Amino acid sequence: DQQVKQNSPSLSVQEGRISILNCDYTNSMFDYFLWYKKYPAEGPTFLISISSIKDKNEDGRFTVFLNKSAKHLSLHIVPSQPGDSAVYFCAASYYGGSQGNLIFGKGTKLSVKP
Amino acid sequence: DTGVSQDPRHKITKRGQNVTFRCDPISEHNRLYWYRQTLGQGPEFLTYFQNEAQLEKSRLLSDRFSAERPKGSFSTLEIQRTEQGDSAMYLCASSLGQGASGNTIYFGEGSWLTVV
Repeated sequence: DQQVKQNSPSLSVQEGRISILNCDYTNSMFDYFLWYKKYPAEGPTFLISISSIKDKNEDGRFTVFLNKSAKHLSLHIVPSQPGDSAVYFCAASYYGGSQGNLIFGKGTKLSVKP
Repeated sequence: DTGVSQDPRHKITKRGQNVTFRCDPISEHNRLYWYRQTLGQGPEFLTYFQNEAQLEKSRLLSDRFSAERPKGSFSTLEIQRTEQGDSAMYLCASSLGQGASGNTIYFGEGSWLTVV
C-alpha cells in the first residue's frame, strides 16, 4: 500500500518553460511534505517543504502547492534549467506518526532539454 | 563541508561477508536516520536515533542488520552475512528537532553496496 504516489515516472521539458511535478497521498494524517532532488549516485538534496496549514510555499524558482482536499501536491519549477535534470522525490510525514519515518514516493525523472 | 558524511561511498563484497558503514551527521543535529534505496524506488526508512538512543526500527531491518550511535555523534550500520538482496544505496540523514514532522531531514551522499 503506497501512501505517497508519484504517478509520472518521467517528465521532459524545454529549457525556460515550467516544470510541474505531481504527487498524491492517501494518508489524511500527513501534515508535512517535502521535495527532494537526487542526482545519480548521490543522496537526496532537500529542495522545499510545506506544512499542511499552508497551501503554497515559494523559494526562488521553486513553488510547492498543497491541495489538502484532493490530497495532492505539486512542485513548480520556473524557469526550468538543464541543471534541474534529476529525479525528484515527494515525501510526507505526520506528527504522532513514526518519528523517524519520511514516506517517499518512487520519484519522477525530470529532463530539461536545452 | 559540514553536511552529512558517509563512508565508504562504494563497497563491493562477497555474499556472506560482513560490511560496516559509517555516518557523521551535521554536528548540531540530535537525530540520525538510516534509509535504504534500491533502483526505481524512493528511500525506505530503516532506523533512527535520538542522541545515542535507537528509538525505532523498521521491519526492513532484519536481525542481520545492526546500527549503533555510541556517543550520540557518528553512527555505524553493520550488515552481517550479506545477501545479494542487500545490494542497495544506504543513506544516512540527520535533523534537529523532535521528529520527522515539521523538521527537515538532510541526507548524506549515500553508500553503495554491491553483494556479488
